[in-house]
Amino acid sequence: AQRVTQPEKLLSVFKGAPVELKCNYSYSGSPELFWYVQYSRQRLQLLLRHISRESIKGFTADLNKGETSFHLKKPFAQEEDSAMYYCALSVYQAGTALIFGKGTTLSVSS
Amino acid sequence: KAGVTQTPRYLIKTRGQQVTLSCSPISGHRSVSWYQQTPGQGLQFLFEYFSETQRNKGNFPGRFSGRQFSNSRSEMNVSTLELGDSALYLCASSLLTGQNTEAFFGQGTRLTVV
Repeated sequence: AQRVTQPEKLLSVFKGAPVELKCNYSYSGSPELFWYVQYSRQRLQLLLRHISRESIKGFTADLNKGETSFHLKKPFAQEEDSAMYYCALSVYQAGTALIFGKGTTLSVSS
Repeated sequence: KAGVTQTPRYLIKTRGQQVTLSCSPISGHRSVSWYQQTPGQGLQFLFEYFSETQRNKGNFPGRFSGRQFSNSRSEMNVSTLELGDSALYLCASSLLTGQNTEAFFGQGTRLTVV
């Protein structure tokens, strides 16, 4: 079965501290993974995808097929990073579907 | 360019009624997907339309249906509403269908069933 697990509902850190949002997936095919973010009163938007292997707003994520993980990391958290973060697995069977984790709320305080 | 637009933003319906939600994708985007978001289940995939054809469907009862028009605008219909259908319904558009395509989300329609 296709599944995405984000074990933490809430992650609270201080400004300047490192951040790691965990994501594990279950998928028999070749995984394509994304991180989406939702800031307060804004719509859900793409943060990054594993295939582009880029850093966005200081965030990076590496796909580890052995551990079936796609954790999101940032070395120094900023207050503006406070938001809801969703890990998503894209599956394709004649059409596309995103399988989302339940999300993790990141709260960064000064 | 304009983002994904969903109308209406809020709806209140009575059990047993039916409802139609509308989604206008970003200009040029041909794929439209629908998701249901609830506190308990999170974001769940409903279906995807591409070039007026349903390409993929999630695990929802037949009361949930949709369609896409030639201008890529999409509608979602829920018949015989149940209390459990109360949710935020999100529409997302993509340029194409495919595993690596970025989805652009609308702000959602908040449906309350009483």
